[in-house]
Amino acid sequence: QKEVEQNSGPLSVPEGAIASLNCTYSDRGSQSFFWYRQYSGKSPELIMSIYSNGDKEDGRFTAQLNKASQYVSLLIRDSQPSDSATYLCAVIYSSASKIIFGSGTRLSIRP
Amino acid sequence: NAGVTQTPKFQVLKTGQSMTLQCAQDMNHNSMYWYRQDPGMGLRLIYYSASEGTTDKGEVPNGYNVSRLNKREFSLRLESAAPSQTSVYFCASSPGTGIAFEKLFFGSGTQLSVL
Repeated sequence: QKEVEQNSGPLSVPEGAIASLNCTYSDRGSQSFFWYRQYSGKSPELIMSIYSNGDKEDGRFTAQLNKASQYVSLLIRDSQPSDSATYLCAVIYSSASKIIFGSGTRLSIRP
Repeated sequence: NAGVTQTPKFQVLKTGQSMTLQCAQDMNHNSMYWYRQDPGMGLRLIYYSASEGTTDKGEVPNGYNVSRLNKREFSLRLESAAPSQTSVYFCASSPGTGIAFEKLFFGSGTQLSVL
């Protein structure tokens, strides 16, 4: 079992709608969770971090964490064509400093 | 600020050749990482260095070696390249301490092809 799991997509969402991206992780002791966005041919960039159960909002982005279910999600409201990218979930493992990524979900916003 | 600088940007090797990917950061970060990215596979951790003088294996270390030369530089060496090592390689660094200690800053990547 991969340590961080994501649906690879592609996820197609109409412009203006809410895009919902999901991630599960296997290490119950993990405390730090991240969402990175990667445009084609570019490096990943951090868009959200979350450490506590519940929701964290930043502009059009909301990260949600449920440690009991080992589940983290990213919601993108009012989706724009510029949101079309691959979204990578990342987790810091409790036993070490290593940061592990999921395989990424490719998101496509259709006009 | 240059941030994280990787060299080279592109490289073609023949099977069995060796090479070293160079990475340097100018942000005084403690932690540095090497990832590889294959289509549909996300980023997979090869090796990381939590602080100067330490290195640890990640998810896919076989076929690679690393050196944390000093606080700024973290190199990745392929001793005998194989076609399975064809990938895009990313170096990253993070502060390792303080607020947002674990935020990763990425280099621009190295496209490596092994024929």
